[in-house]
Amino acid sequence: KQEVTQIPAALSVPEGENLVLNCSFTDSAIYNLQWFRQDPGKGLTSLLLIQSSQREQTSGRLNASLDKSSGRSTLYIAASQPGDSATYLCAVGNTDKLIFGTGTRLQVFP
Amino acid sequence: DTGVSQNPRHKITKRGQNVTFRCDPISEHNRLYWYRQTLGQGPEFLTYFQNEAQLEKSRLLSDRFSAERPKGSFSTLEIQRTEQGDSAMYLCASSLLAVSETQYFGPGTRLLVL
Repeated sequence: KQEVTQIPAALSVPEGENLVLNCSFTDSAIYNLQWFRQDPGKGLTSLLLIQSSQREQTSGRLNASLDKSSGRSTLYIAASQPGDSATYLCAVGNTDKLIFGTGTRLQVFP
Repeated sequence: DTGVSQNPRHKITKRGQNVTFRCDPISEHNRLYWYRQTLGQGPEFLTYFQNEAQLEKSRLLSDRFSAERPKGSFSTLEIQRTEQGDSAMYLCASSLLAVSETQYFGPGTRLLVL
């Protein structure tokens, strides 16, 4: 059974810092891995999708990497801003559904 | 509007009542998914449709839950005889055909069962 773990569970940093959020999964037979952002009480916003054959994807200040063999992905956020404060969820595409981790709650203070 | 929409956004009901939620996916998307999210947890898969066919249901989807997607367009999720444990955010997502495609999520329907 696929299990997804995210570390740390919460993170509080000053504005301007570079951040790394970690995601690990137990079964390397995945189709893809997707990173989402969720603001309190809201739905999910897709940030990056990495296919199983890819090693990384970049969008603006965000970079996500995937190492299938070790069952790990990282989300790198450069030059963090208060507007980045949210919960970040990773999800692995496994057969026909996404399996989510419990998220990392990020707070960026001015 | 090109996003996934869900209605209602909030629902408060008494235990034992039936509730129905609606999801309108992005128009060209063939796949539609339902997930449930409780406080402090990641979303959990409930069921998905490819066009009008319901292809998989999670064990979380007890016989009190039913989902439909008539004509492969919008979908409804009905919960009969609601219980307090059904209180959660119900999220809908849609994507193009394959699981390798990005899933786009709606804003969710927050259900509170009193």
